[in-house]
Amino acid sequence: GESVGLHLPTLSVQEGDNSIINCAYSNSASDYFIWYKQESGKGPQFIIDIRSNMDKRQGQRVTVLLNKTVKHLSLQIAATQPGDSAVYFCAENIRRSGNTPLVFGKGTRLSVIA
Amino acid sequence: NAGVTQTPKFRVLKTGQSMTLLCAQDMNHEYMYWYRQDPGMGLRLIHYSVGEGTTAKGEVPDGYNVSRLKKQNFLLGLESAAPSQTSVYFCASTQAFRGDNTEAFFGQGTRLTVV
Repeated sequence: GESVGLHLPTLSVQEGDNSIINCAYSNSASDYFIWYKQESGKGPQFIIDIRSNMDKRQGQRVTVLLNKTVKHLSLQIAATQPGDSAVYFCAENIRRSGNTPLVFGKGTRLSVIA
Repeated sequence: NAGVTQTPKFRVLKTGQSMTLLCAQDMNHEYMYWYRQDPGMGLRLIHYSVGEGTTAKGEVPDGYNVSRLKKQNFLLGLESAAPSQTSVYFCASTQAFRGDNTEAFFGQGTRLTVV
């Protein structure tokens, strides 16, 4: 089976409940953030992004919250479904300066209990 | 529209053998990246390229070489494979390097085992 994601922090959620996945970023200069979803055996896929001039952005069933004061990002998934089971990564980037590409966090595994 | 395609999908190497992983993208993206993914370590950047003919080191470049002879292709080479290079390798491409349009498109991954 897929060994990627073993030993990652895991969040178990009942189907239909809301999920909150947290991410702490390290670079105070980062001003652009992306959440990715990685299903078993696949590459990561874009979910939603947010710029640092915003503290909240909503998509379809997902909301990203940004707290620059404590360098914290969260992804909220409403009415979690079995298809949401995956590893979720946050990534940070600097829009205006710097020469470092997108930096990924270590990921959180979301397990949906039917 | 294929997006990002990696070959091969699986490979088993003996220690000391060499191999090349191929990444191809059809989105005309300028920027391409190679990551490795290990249990509990997330995605770590090996090398990246900001355009045809250019390459740069990422977080974990040792033991790997890359080439970007054509804009659509980014090759990752292992000259002498070691068991520590057992991992899942992902290629990605982006339209931009910083800020907006840095949404990365990933390939399906290559699972490499070095014995």
